Amino acid sequence: SYALTQPPAVSVTPGETARITCGGTNIGTKSVHWYQQKPGQAPLLIMSYNSDRRPGIAERFSGSNSGDTATLTISRVEAGDEADFYCQVWDGNSDLSVVFGGGTKLTVL
Amino acid sequence: QVQLQESGPRLVRPSETLSLNCTVSGDSMRGYYWTWIRQPPGRGLEWIGYIFYSGSLNYNPTLKSRLSISVDMSKSQFSLTLSSVTSADTAFYYCARRAADGTLFDYWGPGALVTVSS
Repeated sequence: SYALTQPPAVSVTPGETARITCGGTNIGTKSVHWYQQKPGQAPLLIMSYNSDRRPGIAERFSGSNSGDTATLTISRVEAGDEADFYCQVWDGNSDLSVVFGGGTKLTVL
Repeated sequence: QVQLQESGPRLVRPSETLSLNCTVSGDSMRGYYWTWIRQPPGRGLEWIGYIFYSGSLNYNPTLKSRLSISVDMSKSQFSLTLSSVTSADTAFYYCARRAADGTLFDYWGPGALVTVSS
């Protein structure tokens, strides 16, 4: 089955740019969605189809996808961005249709 | 505004059956896939399975032998049963909506922590 690989943790200082990667074989041929999960809350869809920001999500969030890596980029990071981030794809060729990455904890120092 | 809410027992004995309902409000269930996703405390997300409003199903192969998902359009609910549970099934269980023409989950319930313990 298809596998997605995320770094367990990313740390940045406020105002810097955070890049959270999601690796997978030829992931550039798939649509990648990103979810943000803050402590005690359900995941929130923040980016769909690689780079479409969901309504109400700050323009500081952007996404890209090419080759074997999709990237969620957060510019001018704020303390309130601290959360776990998960990438997700649909694998129609497998019995395991829905695949999540392992998650990345973003820490704002 | 679409809202989902999980309900059901939060404590289940080992070897017994876990049962949860998800009540949908704010929109019709028609045209969507209704999904269960779980997350062991401190760990990542795992897709459990989904049911189309018309009843077609797709289950995670690793859970398929113990899993059943059903939908009751008249109550705007869909349900999850997972049999023969062990401590490995302790998790936050989320219900979520997947658009029929999409591959993403756009609305989620707040989650229900179900603990498997004697």
